[in-house]
Amino acid sequence: QSVLTQPPSASGTPGQRVTISCSGSGSNIGSNTVSWYQQIPGTAPKLLISGNDQRPSGVPDRFSGSKSGTSASLAIRGLRSEDEADYYCAGWDDYLNGPVFGGGTKLTVL
Amino acid sequence: QVQLQESGPGLVKPSETLSLSCSVSGASVSNFYWGWIRQPPGKGLDWIGYFHNTGGSNYNPSLKSRAVISIDTSKSQFSLKLSSVTAADTAVYYCARLATSDWEYYFDYWGPGTLVTVSS
Repeated sequence: QSVLTQPPSASGTPGQRVTISCSGSGSNIGSNTVSWYQQIPGTAPKLLISGNDQRPSGVPDRFSGSKSGTSASLAIRGLRSEDEADYYCAGWDDYLNGPVFGGGTKLTVL
Repeated sequence: QVQLQESGPGLVKPSETLSLSCSVSGASVSNFYWGWIRQPPGKGLDWIGYFHNTGGSNYNPSLKSRAVISIDTSKSQFSLKLSSVTAADTAVYYCARLATSDWEYYFDYWGPGTLVTVSS
């Protein structure tokens, strides 16, 4: 059972906007920033968002992140077929003094 | 460009010690935190531990002290040893750089991963 809670699946059609939620607690999301990772099957996770809403160089601005209290969200606008992947949220837990991950959300582009 | 590459046996026998190395290029292993994350087949990501050359380190308590991470600055590598493995330790193992500042913590560079199977 993952420390952070994500929906197991999400879907959308090309061009649509999709959001993926991530719920935690005061010791992780409530106290520290959230990051998001994209994992295409068979490959390593790739950093998509850091610091709640910062995109590393090379990540399209179609991807955006936000945080409020102990929850966070990843939004993808203008959905494309290549966005089909697993998405993981992550935070830092002050009790564990280590990273915690969500269980992952499988995004299907219909 | 920072690059990481895992290496080590793909098959380990139950009760033995899993040993993996991660070669780093494009960054100094002395100046950052480095970590190991694993992913059992068909499942999500699990943090194993992280380590800094100055001595800061921590491990997932679920591993019950079986994991040890060390750094070899002369080879620009860091390593993972996981003792007393069972079939539950079968996973793809990733090494990654842990970026930290104030309240920000995230893994910014990852290796491609290596599958380790625990089986007799």
